[in-house]
Amino acid sequence: NAGVTQTPKFQVLKTGQSMTLQCAQDMNHEYMSWYRQDPGMGLRLIHYSVGAGITDQGEVPNGYNVSRSTTEDFPLRLLSAAPSQTSVYFCASSYGGPSYEQYFGPGTRLTVT
Amino acid sequence: AQKITQTQPGMFVQEKEAVTLDCTYDTSDPSYGLFWYKQPSSGEMIFLIYQGSYDQQNATEGRYSLNFQKARKSANLVISASQLGDSAMYFCAMTFTGTASKLTFGTGTRLQVTL
Repeated sequence: NAGVTQTPKFQVLKTGQSMTLQCAQDMNHEYMSWYRQDPGMGLRLIHYSVGAGITDQGEVPNGYNVSRSTTEDFPLRLLSAAPSQTSVYFCASSYGGPSYEQYFGPGTRLTVT
Repeated sequence: AQKITQTQPGMFVQEKEAVTLDCTYDTSDPSYGLFWYKQPSSGEMIFLIYQGSYDQQNATEGRYSLNFQKARKSANLVISASQLGDSAMYFCAMTFTGTASKLTFGTGTRLQVTL
């Protein structure tokens, strides 16, 4: 199993550009999430999904869109990148429920200039 | 609102010694789960250990144990016999019933293991 994969690993954008961060998992997990990690602030939840066709906002959703058309994929879209979105982005998946560990992807380091 | 607090930005420990990383939490929800993750310098997030709020015994996983004190709302991670490879950031996190496994993270503790 590949686990949770993310592409790209690194990305540099100019302010106002759009892009999609890809996330895929091959563990048949129902739950998938996107987090961002900023220095000194730990990880914060952006959006999450409890199954195909169902998404919801997390703690810091502004500036990001998600959709979940399949169980495997959960892309994160930045519609108009801003310097405040410079961060490391992690995708995670789990079987669901509060007692299950989340499996994290390797992360995408995004810089917006 | 739920909150996780890690008050130690950085810790040093000598190789082969034990170290405790502190984590306190704030919630009124009686059902929750507590997790510890390790983030080495390579950046990936590695699950270490889990404790449920109704678990009677402290969780253990190899050299990792969780000192769970429910009344004090603390869930400290104890690493025994530290190794150089334990040098990393450590994050405490929690989930709550009905939150679809959404994790709330603390700000982390950077552990440095020295010779």
